Amino acid sequence: NAGVTQTPKFQVLKTGQSMTLQCAQDMNHNSMYWYRQDPGMGLRLIYYSASEGTTDKGEVPNGYNVSRLNKREFSLRLESAAPSQTSVYFCASRSSGKQETQYFGPGTRLLVL
Amino acid sequence: EDKVVQSPLSLVVHEGDTVTLNCSYEVTNFRSLLWYKQEKKAPTFLFMLTSSGIEKKSGRLSSILDKKELFSILNITATQTGDSAIYLCAVEAYHKLSFGAGTTVTVRA
Repeated sequence: NAGVTQTPKFQVLKTGQSMTLQCAQDMNHNSMYWYRQDPGMGLRLIYYSASEGTTDKGEVPNGYNVSRLNKREFSLRLESAAPSQTSVYFCASRSSGKQETQYFGPGTRLLVL
Repeated sequence: EDKVVQSPLSLVVHEGDTVTLNCSYEVTNFRSLLWYKQEKKAPTFLFMLTSSGIEKKSGRLSSILDKKELFSILNITATQTGDSAIYLCAVEAYHKLSFGAGTTVTVRA
């Protein structure tokens, strides 16, 4: 039982390059989330998926796309990376029960030059 | 737009001191308020609060929610250097969490 896993752990991109951040959970959770964390700004929601087959924008969706491939996997894609997207990205998942919290992956540190 | 404000932004204390962290919020369709601790990795869950006035405790940490005044506090007593971390407050509404900017706590030996 690995919980929430993310790949890669660290990535350097040049401006304009594209990449996909992968996230998977093995807890049979319905909801999955992508956040970015920047110094002094807490965690900001990029996109979320309340259930398999659905995705919705969060607070800061511009420049990103997501795919909920199946119940386990939720990927985040940067089509044309910009230096403003340098950040630490966290994936999280949660069951739909009322008292359930979110469980976070270990994070992906992305540097865009 | 949902809003979560934490204060102070940072503080430095000595081992053994008591720390009180504040979180105020304005959200539509409030469901719960959560506290997380973040060291140099992913946030880890501390508390989930849904009802006013009921204190939740875990060792030296405790938290309480006031749904009338729209705030929560997190207390840490007899602080230790291992309590040094960023403490994040988040409010849940419509399946989503909105996070505050966090309070950075540094505990000096």
